[in-house]
Amino acid sequence: AQSVTQLGSHVSVSEGALVLLRCNYSSSVPPYLFWYVQYPNQGLQLLLKYTSAATLVKGINGFEAEFKKSETSFHLTKPSAHMSDAAEYFCAVTTNFGNEKLTFGTGTRLTIIP
Amino acid sequence: SAVISQKPSRDICQRGTSLTIQCQVDSQVTMMFWYRQQPGQSLTLIATANQGSEATYESGFVIDKFPISRPNLTFSTLTVSNMSPEDSSIYLCSVYRVLQFFGPGTRLTVL
Repeated sequence: AQSVTQLGSHVSVSEGALVLLRCNYSSSVPPYLFWYVQYPNQGLQLLLKYTSAATLVKGINGFEAEFKKSETSFHLTKPSAHMSDAAEYFCAVTTNFGNEKLTFGTGTRLTIIP
Repeated sequence: SAVISQKPSRDICQRGTSLTIQCQVDSQVTMMFWYRQQPGQSLTLIATANQGSEATYESGFVIDKFPISRPNLTFSTLTVSNMSPEDSSIYLCSVYRVLQFFGPGTRLTVL
C-alpha cells in the first residue's frame, strides 16, 4: 500500500518569500506523485505530476517539485510567493500510472502574509 | 483536460433524509470517481463508478449508504442515504482522462 505524509498542516510565508511545502511518500513500488491545489470553495486543480521521467517537475503558476528517491520526498516549492497562492495544497500518490486511485495527504493550508 | 459540473453546489439537509448529487462531464470518460472530504481533512475515495457495471466501493463505504448510478459515459450520481451530521462533507466527483480531474464539489451540511 502507498501513503503520503504532508508535514505542516499550516504554513505561512511572506509575499515574495520562498514557498516550501513538504511531502514524503511510502510505497513498495515506484510511485507516481501529484500535487493538487484547492482554492476556497473550489475543486482540486492539478499543479504538477511526477511520472518517472525528469525528477524535477515544473508545474503551473511557477511551482515545481523534485522527486528524491533517497529521501522518499516530493516537496513543492515556489521561489516567490504571491497573494494568489493562498490555498490548500494536497500531495497524492498512486503506484499505477493509468490507475485511477489516488491516495491523498492530509493537506497543507498556505497563508501569504502581505 | 475535462470540464466537470456538479449539482447541487451546496445543500443543507435534515437528519434521516437522502440527497442525490449529480456529476456531469463534458465528454465521454470510462472511469468516474466519488470522493469525500470531511471538514479539515483530506480526500477519501468512496467508490469508482463504472458504466455498465456496479460501482466498486472502498473499505468503509457501502452501497446501501452511498448508492451510485452511472447510466452513461458522461454522467453519474451519488446518493447519500439516511444522513446524519457525520455525513457533513464536501463530495467531489472526478474523472480519469490521462490524469485525474475534479469537479467543484458539493458542500453538504446535515443538521
